[in-house]
Amino acid sequence: AQSVTQLGSHVSVSEGALVLLRCNYSSSVPPYLFWYVQYPNQGLQLLLKYTTGATLVKGINGFEAEFKKSETSFHLTKPSAHMSDAAEYFCAVSGGGSYIPTFGRGTSLIVHP
Amino acid sequence: IAGITQAPTSQILAAGRRMTLRCTQDMRHNAMYWYRQDLGLGLRLIHYSNTAGTTGKGEVPDGYSVSRANTDDFPLTLASAVPSQTSVYFCASSRERGTEAFFGQGTRLTVV
Repeated sequence: AQSVTQLGSHVSVSEGALVLLRCNYSSSVPPYLFWYVQYPNQGLQLLLKYTTGATLVKGINGFEAEFKKSETSFHLTKPSAHMSDAAEYFCAVSGGGSYIPTFGRGTSLIVHP
Repeated sequence: IAGITQAPTSQILAAGRRMTLRCTQDMRHNAMYWYRQDLGLGLRLIHYSNTAGTTGKGEVPDGYSVSRANTDDFPLTLASAVPSQTSVYFCASSRERGTEAFFGQGTRLTVV
């Protein structure tokens, strides 16, 4: 079985500050890991993904995430928050026999001026 | 524009009524999924299909059914709606197992 835990349902940062959204996963096989972003009244869109290879992956809008197998983590970071980054962020894992994406409960990023 | 189309975008439904949410993709993806999104609970898998002709149950399948007669379409049916099925429903697809999922814009369903 696979699962995802996102620490913190809400994260609040000031514009220009570092963004750190935490994600820990469990998977019985090497996982595929994803971060998605959801803007209000929209579907989810892919920010970045890790499948194999380089453990530091870069995505759209200046976001990046690092796969740390020893910590079973895939935290999302951005050096400098922008007002337009305010959204809901979901971490997801797929792996195991079915490879169906399993999502965390989401973290709402709030950016203050 | 290639992608996933869901219909309707929103619906108010009387309890006990039957409802089918439509989902069509034009990317020729093999795998398709239905999730429901509820505040504080994230996305929970209702049903999935790894390829045309096959379907499977997800985490919260009760009260829902699906079919996958062809690659492009994956309708979700509520046989007899109940208020606890009030939610936002997302259809998604992926090229194959393990690859990233592409999402539709969602259907906001209110059962009264």
